[in-house]
Amino acid sequence: NAGVMQNPRHLVRRRGQEARLRCSPMKGHSHVYWYRQLPEEGLKFMVYLQKENIIDESGMPKERFSAEFPKEGPSILRIQQVVRGDSAAYFCASSPPVQGAINYGYTFGSGTRLTVV
Amino acid sequence: QKEVEQDPGPLSVPEGAIVSLNCTYSNSAFQYFMWYRQYSRKGPELLMYTYSSGNKEDGRFTAQVDKSSKYISLFIRDSQPSDSATYLCAMIAGGFKTIFGAGTRLFVKA
Repeated sequence: NAGVMQNPRHLVRRRGQEARLRCSPMKGHSHVYWYRQLPEEGLKFMVYLQKENIIDESGMPKERFSAEFPKEGPSILRIQQVVRGDSAAYFCASSPPVQGAINYGYTFGSGTRLTVV
Repeated sequence: QKEVEQDPGPLSVPEGAIVSLNCTYSNSAFQYFMWYRQYSRKGPELLMYTYSSGNKEDGRFTAQVDKSSKYISLFIRDSQPSDSATYLCAMIAGGFKTIFGAGTRLFVKA
């Protein structure tokens, strides 16, 4: 029973390139959450998605960032025209439907470490 | 003011010590309180979950919530070197969005 799978584990991009981060939720989980982690700052909420729906994107920067969770395939976090300040660890988490997040917490992936050079 | 405040440490203790980790929060709507453990280069994993005020014990771990003081704690008894990790408190108001503290780095010396 695979957990939350994120890839790639490490991603290096030059300034101005696009970064695509992928997340496959745990089997049976239909809710996906993306968080960004910077040193000494903890995990910052970015977006919450269900299949084909963005439920809450209040933590997403207004420009360059987008997320999707298509009917088939993994959830994708896309960062266009990356800048050095985008360098961080990006974690994906999944849960059963909303009550599951309250009752069982999240299951996190191992993260994608993005480095912008 | 951050919604959730947590001292980043680091906290260094000898093996066998009792460890106390704490968070304070400002949003009185928080009802669900969790502690996650994160090892280096890994994703956080859920350790403890409590609803509202009170204590919850699981093996060497005890979680305490004091809603009147907006203060939560995690106690680790008989700490082991394998407990060395970053511990993040987390809270939910009632929907889905989990708010995390910055995390406290713990080192348990053998």
